[in-house]
Amino acid sequence: DADVTQTPRNRITKTGKRIMLECSQTKGHDRMYWYRQDPGLGLRLIYYSFDVKDINKGEISDGYSVSRQAQAKFSLSLESAIPNQTALYFCATSDTGGPHGNEQFFGPGTRLTVL
Amino acid sequence: AQKITQTQPGMFVQEKEAVTLDCTYDTSDQSYGLFWYKQPSSGEMIFLIYQGSYDEQNATEGRYSLNFQKARKSANLVISASQLGDSAMYFCAMREADRGSTLGRLYFGRGTQLTVWP
Repeated sequence: DADVTQTPRNRITKTGKRIMLECSQTKGHDRMYWYRQDPGLGLRLIYYSFDVKDINKGEISDGYSVSRQAQAKFSLSLESAIPNQTALYFCATSDTGGPHGNEQFFGPGTRLTVL
Repeated sequence: AQKITQTQPGMFVQEKEAVTLDCTYDTSDQSYGLFWYKQPSSGEMIFLIYQGSYDEQNATEGRYSLNFQKARKSANLVISASQLGDSAMYFCAMREADRGSTLGRLYFGRGTQLTVWP
């Protein structure tokens, strides 16, 4: 079973619709992240959370909101989707230590298309 | 300013040859970490290798090694004996301290698309 899961894996929606992307993890990590990937731009951080009571904006948080419902769950919402939010969205988790300097473990991604 | 710069949008290498993917970084922190991730065409992000700023030895993981030159702020990935399955997008990333914690967020470069040909 995958340690970090994302639902849905693919989604097509229309401009103005509200959409929620969900992320769950079984790794027991406190830290969770949402990124978006656009061709040629790499991964950019939308929001991150270092524990259930901690939510922080990343570099491109406008138009997005998040909810950390539990240690294992971190949801990303687009309140009113617009076409330039079409992208591949990744959830990631990390521990507070480990041999690889708190490497991040990524979910499989959600491909979102806003028409 | 970009914290991670990958200047090679695309690279080509023949199977069994070695290839170096360039990465430079920008930070004023003394404690930081450098990572490389691989993204095959299927889309998942795969962790490859990590180098801590205080590590004196270059990191190695199988066919991957990280050529860490601290004074030059470079963290190039070297793949030895390339295989067809190495064809993928490769991302360099850096972790800086965050609010007093040395275990902060990651900054990613724009990636290098590596193509291995037979």
